[in-house]
Amino acid sequence: GAGVSQSPRYKVAKRGQDVALRCDPISGHVSLFWYQQALGQGPEFLTYFQNEAQLDKSGLPSDRFFAERPEGSVSTLKIQRTQQEDSAVYLCASSLGPFTYEQYFGPGTRLTVT
Amino acid sequence: AQKVTQAQTEISVVEKEDVTLDCVYETRDTTYYLFWYKQPPSGELVFLIRRNSFDEQNEISGRYSWNFQKSTSSFNFTITASQVVDSAVYFCALTLNQAGTALIFGKGTTLSVSS
Repeated sequence: GAGVSQSPRYKVAKRGQDVALRCDPISGHVSLFWYQQALGQGPEFLTYFQNEAQLDKSGLPSDRFFAERPEGSVSTLKIQRTQQEDSAVYLCASSLGPFTYEQYFGPGTRLTVT
Repeated sequence: AQKVTQAQTEISVVEKEDVTLDCVYETRDTTYYLFWYKQPPSGELVFLIRRNSFDEQNEISGRYSWNFQKSTSSFNFTITASQVVDSAVYFCALTLNQAGTALIFGKGTTLSVSS
């Protein structure tokens, strides 16, 4: 497609369940970012991939969060044993190259943990 | 450390009014990039503009204009003759001149334009 796509758009999980959120970046984009956006806040960085390499995961809030991009295109953010504080919108963004600073965002996945 | 401050949480205007959204940033780096993004109710962040730290020339794009002043570390955004479709949350963001550096966002300003 023309833009970044994410699925599912909405996810409700019971506390303790594992979830997987998918991101399809713009074709050919080398860089991929995940952000977490809490209600009423700006997005906050979680992790960065350059092709299949995860070069920065300093923003992941705990070891329950795990991301991968095995073939350098689609990425999955996995959250294990979800907790209520994980409720947020998870945004994926891609950019053409590591020094291309415009990031193009997907519509996000709204995760609600009950 | 880098920081972006958007002091205005919410702004309400009537159509055709001009409105300015403020953005103040902090960084010790001399090379950096500043951005504005729009987040309509649909939720998707839409890229509006990027400026680098060496280019202080103001920019105009249709009804949108941006005023970058390094002396005050500000990058303000003005919408002229606002329209209802401008209603959204607007985010100012900063990134450094390093490969793969994340965007650092402000908390956003919610703009409501009524008819």
